[in-house]
Amino acid sequence: AQSVTQLDSHVSVSEGTPVLLRCNYSSSYSPSLFWYVQHPNKGLQLLLKYTSAATLVKGINGFEAEFKKSETSFHLTKPSAHMSDAAEYFCVVSGTTSGTYKYIFGTGTRLKVLA
Amino acid sequence: DTEVTQTPKHLVMGMTNKKSLKCEQHMGHRAMYWYKQKAKKPPELMFVYSYEKLSINESVPSRFSPECPNSSLLNLHLHALQPEDSALYLCASSRPSGAGSGELFFGEGSRLTVL
Repeated sequence: AQSVTQLDSHVSVSEGTPVLLRCNYSSSYSPSLFWYVQHPNKGLQLLLKYTSAATLVKGINGFEAEFKKSETSFHLTKPSAHMSDAAEYFCVVSGTTSGTYKYIFGTGTRLKVLA
Repeated sequence: DTEVTQTPKHLVMGMTNKKSLKCEQHMGHRAMYWYKQKAKKPPELMFVYSYEKLSINESVPSRFSPECPNSSLLNLHLHALQPEDSALYLCASSRPSGAGSGELFFGEGSRLTVL
């Protein structure tokens, strides 16, 4: 069985300071992992994905994440927060069920960026 | 710009109405999904179609009826809904399992209000 845990439900940072959103996963085999962002009343947008290639993954808008198998973690970081980064972030792990991809969502982290 | 298009963006309906939500993608994806998202919660999987066949139904009440008329279209027929069914309904698509990393591509969602 697979699962994903987002360790913080809310994170507040000042504009221009680093962002760290934490995600731990559980998987019985090598997982595919994703980070999605959702702005209010919008759909989810893919920020980045890990699919067993490079462990340091670069995404859009300056975000990156590092896959650490020994720690079962896939934390999302950004060197300098921008006001437009304020949104809900979801960590997702995927696997197959009956030959179909199934996606397990974390509970989400709401990022607040202070001016 | 999202490559998954959902209509309508907003829908208000009474408990006795029949309405439909529509979703369209032209990325050649053969897996399509319906998710329900309540405020401040992650998306909840409702249905998965793989190669136009229903492959996952997450025990959704029969007042929600999915339909996949072809590989580009996905509908969700709504009948006799309850006020607690009010939510953001998200459509997504992906390559089926075994065909790559399989990230989800989301539409902007249909905001449903049941009176």
